[in-house]
Amino acid sequence: KAGVTQTPRYLIKTRGQQVTLSCSPISGHRSVSWYQQTPGQGLQFLFEYFSETQRNKGNFPGRFSGRQFSNSRSEMNVSTLELGDSALYLCASSLAGEGMRTQYFGPGTRLTVL
Amino acid sequence: AQSVAQPEDQVNVAEGNPLTVKCTYSVSGNPYLFWYVQYPNRGLQFLLKYITGDNLVKGSYGFEAEFNKSQTSFHLKKPSALVSDSALYFCAVRDTSQGGKLIFGQGTELSVKP
Repeated sequence: KAGVTQTPRYLIKTRGQQVTLSCSPISGHRSVSWYQQTPGQGLQFLFEYFSETQRNKGNFPGRFSGRQFSNSRSEMNVSTLELGDSALYLCASSLAGEGMRTQYFGPGTRLTVL
Repeated sequence: AQSVAQPEDQVNVAEGNPLTVKCTYSVSGNPYLFWYVQYPNRGLQFLLKYITGDNLVKGSYGFEAEFNKSQTSFHLKKPSALVSDSALYFCAVRDTSQGGKLIFGQGTELSVKP
């Protein structure tokens, strides 16, 4: 089975621009979560989607948004980029949303904001 | 609030020696605990998890972890370290009170020297 894929792998944007990141989960997985990884803050939860519904949202400003499509693919969007948004954005998928399910991570999208 | 702590930023081990990466947790209710490994410029790779049952959990690449309820710990171990084990290791707990997001420790950099 193919793993979680994320596109693009690398992005360079300037302040004020917006960006859309894409995530394709493992086939059959219906839950997708997004995390931000930075050297200072570590790994922080952004959102969780299950069957096209946002189940949970982390403590991030409204500039961060996401959605999930009927085929379980997910996108996240960051508007009005700030320098502090530079990070590795990781997507993870699991079979369902129950607590014991394992989340499998993609390789991430490295976003650099200049 | 649920949390995990990894008390060591870095662990240095000689190749062939046993290794331990420490993790303590704080949860209400039954903990769902995970270990992930991250190699440079890569996503997180699942190693093992504790849901219930046997306190010694075996995972990928010869790693195992010991769940200790009285000490609220979930230390990662390997009997004989390899240079290729050098990476960043994350302990995580599933926050079942909020849709199941993962809460990560700050990570421990493992360095295995020949």
